[in-house]
Amino acid sequence: DGGITQSPKYLFRKEGQNVTLSCEQNLNHDAMYWYRQDPGQGLRLIYYSQIVNDFQKGDIAEGYSVSREKKESFPLTVTSAQKNPTAFYLCASSMGPGDSSNQPQHFGDGTRLSIL
Amino acid sequence: AQKITQTQPGMFVQEKEAVTLDCTYDTSDPSYGLFWYKQPSSGEMIFLIYQGSYDQQNATEGRYSLNFQKARKSANLVISASQLGDSAMYFCAMREYGYNFNKFYFGSGTKLNVKP
Repeated sequence: DGGITQSPKYLFRKEGQNVTLSCEQNLNHDAMYWYRQDPGQGLRLIYYSQIVNDFQKGDIAEGYSVSREKKESFPLTVTSAQKNPTAFYLCASSMGPGDSSNQPQHFGDGTRLSIL
Repeated sequence: AQKITQTQPGMFVQEKEAVTLDCTYDTSDPSYGLFWYKQPSSGEMIFLIYQGSYDQQNATEGRYSLNFQKARKSANLVISASQLGDSAMYFCAMREYGYNFNKFYFGSGTKLNVKP
């Protein structure tokens, strides 16, 4: 079955440490996204990528970095510069233009990141 | 300006009754799509229903229907015959097809509690 796989499900970060969240999709989608969600809040866009080797900052990119070397993969690194990283992180993907206008974003099951 | 506004942070509904979750949007793009997602406490995002700006009829999917009022720029979700399993966060989202096809805008969400 096609879908998005995020790993790990839970992640703990020590002070001053960088951590990387994995996101893989086998839907052949062009676009991929990372969102941050704080408890009881909505989704905030961190980064998104429309094609391989290209990505754009979202609303809260500071303290995060991404890469898109393969169509299937869009890992997110939470750097030590992100002082308040504790949150729920969701990865998503979507089809590009064409006959996909009514297609929603597909989401992974998320990664919960906490500070040790 | 906010692209998507959900003005009800929380709502209660009695089991088996209908409930309407409000969503208003802001865009100058004549071509856009509106999406509703459900997020249970486990965190996954579940796509519920889609409405295109040129669709002549309101979208329906089982117990979900969308009350689309284009002139008022509103796309309210109606859940009929509420069930206990409907208790969750609900997010309205929009995609503009002319400006940046790959960007989705989310509202802040409405937390629905269904009472037995």
